[in-house]
Amino acid sequence: QVQLVESGGGVVQPGRSLRLSCAASGFTFSKFGMYWVRQAPGKGLEWVAFTWYDGSNKYYTDSVKGRFTISRDNSKNTLYLHMNSLGAEDTAVYYCAKGLAAITGIAAGGLDFWGQGTLVTVSS
Amino acid sequence: QSVLTQPPSVSGTPGQRVTISCSGSSSNIGSNYLYWYQQLSGTAPKLLIYRNNQRPSGVPDRFSGSKSGTSASLAISGLRSEDEADYYCGTWDDSLSGVVFGGGTKLTVL
Repeated sequence: QVQLVESGGGVVQPGRSLRLSCAASGFTFSKFGMYWVRQAPGKGLEWVAFTWYDGSNKYYTDSVKGRFTISRDNSKNTLYLHMNSLGAEDTAVYYCAKGLAAITGIAAGGLDFWGQGTLVTVSS
Repeated sequence: QSVLTQPPSVSGTPGQRVTISCSGSSSNIGSNYLYWYQQLSGTAPKLLIYRNNQRPSGVPDRFSGSKSGTSASLAISGLRSEDEADYYCGTWDDSLSGVVFGGGTKLTVL
């Protein structure tokens, strides 16, 4: 069965960096696009980043462009999110999710499996 | 302000049928598949409907999706207490080159 396990969350001071990891199992990781989605306390879902199956193309929501980097290691079945210059507005539960599609296109908005999430709190 | 528009809340009594709407534009719903997600309190979202109207294995046929032009809707029939959750629509947006979600709809079973 598909499993996605996030780690790396915690409390971090404003301006600092953090790296999230997502260990995937139960499917052929290298064949699917992967996503990060976050949810601020009491708020709705916000897409953060997406990478193609092979890592060759990456997409970001405007608010994290230039600060966050999504990457993947297909040899380790692991997805990463490197977050720099963190601010209070980045406080959220961060979910890793598997895509239905390998690349962008008509099916790119589909996320069929989600991890349990990891909480990132940016506070001094 | 979310790119996709959903009502903040809907409610119904057990056994009733409720619908949740999702409105977008030609760059998102109008040109890509629409998905629905269910988020029970304190848990991760779960895919409920994919490719506009398909149910993943294990999702009861009480849940159905439809799409027409730049709008979509989720219908839940035979409402049950365990359906109480937040529901989100989502899709890819060609103009923004990213995934867009609705603001979410809280379903209350009275």
